[in-house]
Amino acid sequence: EVQLVESGGGLVQPGGSLRLSCAASGFRFSTSCMHWVRQVPGRGLIWVSRINADGSSLDYADSVKGRFTVSRDNAKNTLYLQMNSLRTEDTAVYYCASSRDKGFWGQGTLVTVSS
Amino acid sequence: QAVVTQEPSLTVSPGGTVTLTCGSSTGSVTSGHYPSWFQQKPGQAPRTLIYDTSNKHSWTPARFSGSLLGGKAALTLSGAQPEDEADYYCFLSYTSTRVFGGGTRLTVL
Repeated sequence: EVQLVESGGGLVQPGGSLRLSCAASGFRFSTSCMHWVRQVPGRGLIWVSRINADGSSLDYADSVKGRFTVSRDNAKNTLYLQMNSLRTEDTAVYYCASSRDKGFWGQGTLVTVSS
Repeated sequence: QAVVTQEPSLTVSPGGTVTLTCGSSTGSVTSGHYPSWFQQKPGQAPRTLIYDTSNKHSWTPARFSGSLLGGKAALTLSGAQPEDEADYYCFLSYTSTRVFGGGTRLTVL
């Protein structure tokens, strides 16, 4: 059974940091590019970041560039998102998702940035 | 950054056919944008239906199909079922970035 399980969300103050993790199982994680996507409850999906299979190519949305860093550990089948300098507008459910040809999504983890 | 546009809402009758479209502010959508389509129901994570314009996953119902139509990506639902009522998002790939459309709320009524 394929699983993508996000963790690390929670409440953080503006300017703070969080590190999200996405544990993958049931498919060949090491051959899949991976994405982070966020969604404010009741609103649409927003693409955040992408990392290729070996971690050598990274892309970011303009809104998070310079503040967020995506990485992966293929030995641990885990994807990460380091989020620094968090803003209230970063409040959202964060999903990890596999490459489009695999099509897998996690259930999401809620990040709340508030004082 | 590119803007991806979708119809905000559409309604289809049970058993009917509806086409959702996905346009790009940069011009025509092509296969090089690797259009994907996702379905999301309330309280659930998104589910991938279509990738690379027209490819289906094993879990994609046969009544869904993807194509390019008039410079846009299109998702056609033929024989709508009540369980197809959901939000649908398209997703396009650009150089160094990816963009979701704003989503289409599909009502089966």
